[in-house]
Amino acid sequence: QSALTQPASVSGSPGQSITISCTGTSNDVGGYNYVSWYQHHPGKAPKLMIYDVSNRPSGVSNRFSGSKSGNTASLTVSGLQTEDEADYYCSSYTSSSAPVFGGGTRLTVL
Amino acid sequence: EVQLVESGGTLVQPGGSLRLSCAASGFNFRSYAMSWVRQAPGKGLEWVSDISGSGGGTSYADSVKGRFTISRDNSKNTVFLQMNSLSAEDTAVYYCVKVSGFTVTTYFDYWGQGTLVTVSS
Repeated sequence: QSALTQPASVSGSPGQSITISCTGTSNDVGGYNYVSWYQHHPGKAPKLMIYDVSNRPSGVSNRFSGSKSGNTASLTVSGLQTEDEADYYCSSYTSSSAPVFGGGTRLTVL
Repeated sequence: EVQLVESGGTLVQPGGSLRLSCAASGFNFRSYAMSWVRQAPGKGLEWVSDISGSGGGTSYADSVKGRFTISRDNSKNTVFLQMNSLSAEDTAVYYCVKVSGFTVTTYFDYWGQGTLVTVSS
C-alpha cells in the first residue's frame, strides 16, 4: 500500500488559515469516509485531530476542520496560533483493511 | 484517562530480537483493537501491525510480515510486539496506539509516548 500524498510543508501567519491536502486513490481516501488527521509535536505523542473525514474529538479546537472531495482529503486550520506549529499526518482505511498514512506536512507559523 | 506506556526499546544488533510491551489503562482494554505504529528518524508515521480486541485477528505491514508478531494479554491489559530478524531499517520510535473499534482500524484515538528501537552493530 503506497503512502498518501501530502505537501512537505505549509506555512501561514498567526490568524490566517491554511489547508493541507492528502491525496490517495479510490482504494483508500476516495473509497471510504475513514480519513483521519493527527498532530505531532516532535518528541510527544501524536494527537487525533479529525476522524471519519470531518469529525472532531472532544477537546479539539473548532479551528480544525476536515473535508473530502474524490480522492483528496483536506485539513483546514483557521485562526492560526503559534502552538499549531507541528507535523500533521493524514491516514485512511484501505481496501486491504490495512491503514495507510500520508508522508506528513510540517506546518510553520511565521 | 487513557494511558499507554511502552517499554522494551533498546539498542539491538542486526539479526537480533526484541519484545516491546505496552501497558494500557483508563478504558475497557478487551473491547478495543490495538496497533503499533513506528516512525523512523526523519521519516513519517508507518503503521506496523494491529490486533483485534479478542486477540483472534491480527494484521501486519508487508515490511514486517513474517518477522514481527503482535499479541495481547487481556488479563493484564498489555499488548506486545515480538520483533525478530531486525535490521537497520527497523530503527524507529515505536508507538502503542489504541484503535477506535474492536476489529477494524478506522482511526487511532490515543497514542503512547513511544519507545526507541535502535538496530546497529
